[in-house]
Amino acid sequence: EPEVTQTPSHQVTQMGQEVILRCVPISNHLYFYWYRQILGQKVEFLVSFYNNEISEKSEIFDDQFSVERPDGSNFTLKIRSTKLEDSAMYFCASSDAGANYGYTFGSGTRLTVV
Amino acid sequence: GDSVTQMEGPVTLSEEAFLTINCTYTATGYPSLFWYVQYPGEGLQLLLKATKADDKGSNKGFEATYRKETTSFHLEKGSVQVSDSAVYFCALRRPGNQFYFGTGTSLTVIP
Repeated sequence: EPEVTQTPSHQVTQMGQEVILRCVPISNHLYFYWYRQILGQKVEFLVSFYNNEISEKSEIFDDQFSVERPDGSNFTLKIRSTKLEDSAMYFCASSDAGANYGYTFGSGTRLTVV
Repeated sequence: GDSVTQMEGPVTLSEEAFLTINCTYTATGYPSLFWYVQYPGEGLQLLLKATKADDKGSNKGFEATYRKETTSFHLEKGSVQVSDSAVYFCALRRPGNQFYFGTGTSLTVIP
């Protein structure tokens, strides 16, 4: 079964550093998403991306965050200057349509900011 | 706005016990409803879904029925196993929009 692949599975970074979280969505999917889950809390929407631009973003997705589809297969989330409160599990997801279909989620990248 | 309220955990059951995890939602229009499961150290996996009122989603012995009149989508399983120990998330999504997740319910099944 097709998968959404995320790398790395765990990343530790120092506060203030930039990190890039990488995702390879399912190949024929057109819609891409990032969500995050702070430990013990609910999974929260960050951003959706379609046709090479952001289609929706939450208030969490401020200027320190950016997304990019640098080539035909990768979808990245960049955090410019990490803060301690950015420590969370970050999930990438993709879907082939925006309607009544479930996403396919990746297994997540656990980001720890120290 | 759209939201999901989920029964708080943690829930601890003995093997072969009956499981219910309550979920209610608030949404405009006609959302699709989902249950996702997160096993320890893993990502979110779709467990089941229902796209319209009175639909029943089912998978691996789990069931949930989309009840529009009570705005609920409770998860049930008749006989849980140790391998069902995980965190369960109720979620909704309107067409073309983001997911809204509940806070998750941690289930531990003891032998």
